[in-house]
Amino acid sequence: QKEVEQDPGPLSVPEGAIVSLNCTYSNSAFQYFMWYRQYSRKGPELLMYTYSSGNKEDGRFTAQVDKSSKYISLFIRDSQPSDSATYLCATAGGSNYKLTFGKGTLLTVNP
Amino acid sequence: DVKVTQSSRYLVKRTGEKVFLECVQDMDHENMFWYRQDPGLGLRLIYFSYDVKMKEKGDIPEGYSVSREKKERFSLILESASTNQTSMYLCASSLLGGRATYNEQFFGPGTRLTVL
Repeated sequence: QKEVEQDPGPLSVPEGAIVSLNCTYSNSAFQYFMWYRQYSRKGPELLMYTYSSGNKEDGRFTAQVDKSSKYISLFIRDSQPSDSATYLCATAGGSNYKLTFGKGTLLTVNP
Repeated sequence: DVKVTQSSRYLVKRTGEKVFLECVQDMDHENMFWYRQDPGLGLRLIYFSYDVKMKEKGDIPEGYSVSREKKERFSLILESASTNQTSMYLCASSLLGGRATYNEQFFGPGTRLTVL
């Protein structure tokens, strides 16, 4: 079983929709959970970061971690065409400088 | 702003050539990383370095080597390029951090390498 599983999509939604992106992970030692956003022909950039379980909100974005079910979610409210990108979940554990990435989900928000 | 730069955006090489990919960061980060990104496979760690002249293998080191002679520069070397090394190569850097903290990895724009 791969350490981090992420549905690659693609996912296409109309502007204004609520988007839900999800990952599951297998290693209970993971404590740090990240979402990176990658625009076409660019490197990934950190969007949200959560330590352990719980929710974190930043504007239209909410990250959720449920360690009991090893489930990571990213919600985007009022999605915009500028949100069109690949979203990568990532985790880190004891050796916290090494990240384990999901394969990424390609999201397209249509005007 | 942290800046991670990579020497080329696009590179075309022939099978058997020796290829150097260069990465430079300007934020005095201890950690530097090389990944490759392929459709359907995601980001995979090739090598990382936590200090000058120090390196550790990642998940897919075969066919690659690295060099870190200065703190700000991390090079990826393909000793004899093969067609299966055609990919997007991404460099990243981060602070060393401690076990109680996570330090964000900052990525460069990537180098798309094609081996013919």
